Amino acid sequence: DQQVKQNSPSLSVQEGRISILNCDYTNSMFDYFLWYKKYPAEGPTFLISISSIKDKNEDGRFTVFLNKSAKHLSLHIVPSQPGDSAVYFCAMRSSGDKLTFGTGTRLAVRP
Amino acid sequence: DTGVSQDPRHKITKRGQNVTFRCDPISEHNRLYWYRQTLGQGPEFLTYFQNEAQLEKSRLLSDRFSAERPKGSFSTLEIQRTEQGDSAMYLCASSLGGWGNQPQHFGDGTRLSIL
Repeated sequence: DQQVKQNSPSLSVQEGRISILNCDYTNSMFDYFLWYKKYPAEGPTFLISISSIKDKNEDGRFTVFLNKSAKHLSLHIVPSQPGDSAVYFCAMRSSGDKLTFGTGTRLAVRP
Repeated sequence: DTGVSQDPRHKITKRGQNVTFRCDPISEHNRLYWYRQTLGQGPEFLTYFQNEAQLEKSRLLSDRFSAERPKGSFSTLEIQRTEQGDSAMYLCASSLGGWGNQPQHFGDGTRLSIL
């Protein structure tokens, strides 16, 4: 069973506009939520995270929102830049310290 | 901070052969993780260590797979009698466990291709 879903395989956004990436989950035991960015031929790079006791965390152009009642996580990037074009994965931690990842969303930022 | 280092970057081998991958974590990190990623999927957890102790193993990790971290620094992942289905990207990550919520930082992976 897929505990973490990223329902949009791809997203295209104009440079300067907002990019919104979404993630839904089913396991209410997840307590720490992260976003990673991945370029081709590289490993995932950590972007931003949020613990289950918060609903928002900001770091520069990146903001992560957590809605625990809806079991929904989102990442906002504003303004979007061409260098943001990559595959974005959400990841979540439950028991122990293992992460469960979504299947990824490919973001393309058009100049 | 030199990042997580994995070796080799690519490995091509024939079915039935044994392969071993190495991971060097970020130097001050006490936790080390192995994940596997196939095309179109996110990374899947395999196992993790705190120092030299292997704390958790996924049921994905069949008995052909073994991981070690003998001195609590680098780790090796060995696959015996490789099968076609083992073809994947093998990712290593490390973190500073035991200090609240700490993100895992990934290496660039070893891509395994089974002929």
